[in-house]
Amino acid sequence: KAGVTQTPRYLIKTRGQQVTLSCSPISGHRSVSWYQQTPGQGLQFLFEYFSETQRNKGNFPGRFSGRQFSNSRSEMNVSTLELGDSALYLCASSLKPGLAGEAYEQYFGPGTRLTVT
Amino acid sequence: GIQVEQSPPDLILQEGANSTLRCNFSDSVNNLQWFHQNPWGQLINLFYIPSGTKQNGRLSATTVATERYSLLYISSSQTTDSGVYFCAVVIRATNKLIFGTGTLLAVQP
Repeated sequence: KAGVTQTPRYLIKTRGQQVTLSCSPISGHRSVSWYQQTPGQGLQFLFEYFSETQRNKGNFPGRFSGRQFSNSRSEMNVSTLELGDSALYLCASSLKPGLAGEAYEQYFGPGTRLTVT
Repeated sequence: GIQVEQSPPDLILQEGANSTLRCNFSDSVNNLQWFHQNPWGQLINLFYIPSGTKQNGRLSATTVATERYSLLYISSSQTTDSGVYFCAVVIRATNKLIFGTGTLLAVQP
């Protein structure tokens, strides 16, 4: 079974531009989450999608947005890029979202390394 | 919010040595996972272990949920074990992983 895939793997953008990152979950997985990793802040949760609906959102500005399609693939968008948005963006998939009393193992993709100049 | 602390922050070992990494968390959790981040940044799943003990080759993990900690044991370490080890917990009714700050392991030949 193929793992989580993310495209592109590397990206260089200029301040003020916008960027869209893509994530395809493991076949059959319906929950997708996004994380940002920076040296200063570590790994931080961005948002989680299930059935094309955002279930949870982390503490990030509105410039960060995402969506999920009917085939469970997800995209995240960052508008008006800032230098501080330079980071490794990781996508994780799981069979279902966590519900009361349930939890599911999450699997990560290889990440997209974004550099903003 | 829930706090996740990992120790030690850095660890240098000689090949063949054993080590124990610790993860403390401040509240009840639904899930706990251990990951190894490789030099290219990918998080590799090691264990999904909300409670109990599991073993996979040279690695094993134990989570004592009632005392809010988890341990990752690495035996007979190899240079390929080098990298950052993260534990992450999930709080009830979410899929949000809250990561510790990681343990940077360097295994020298």
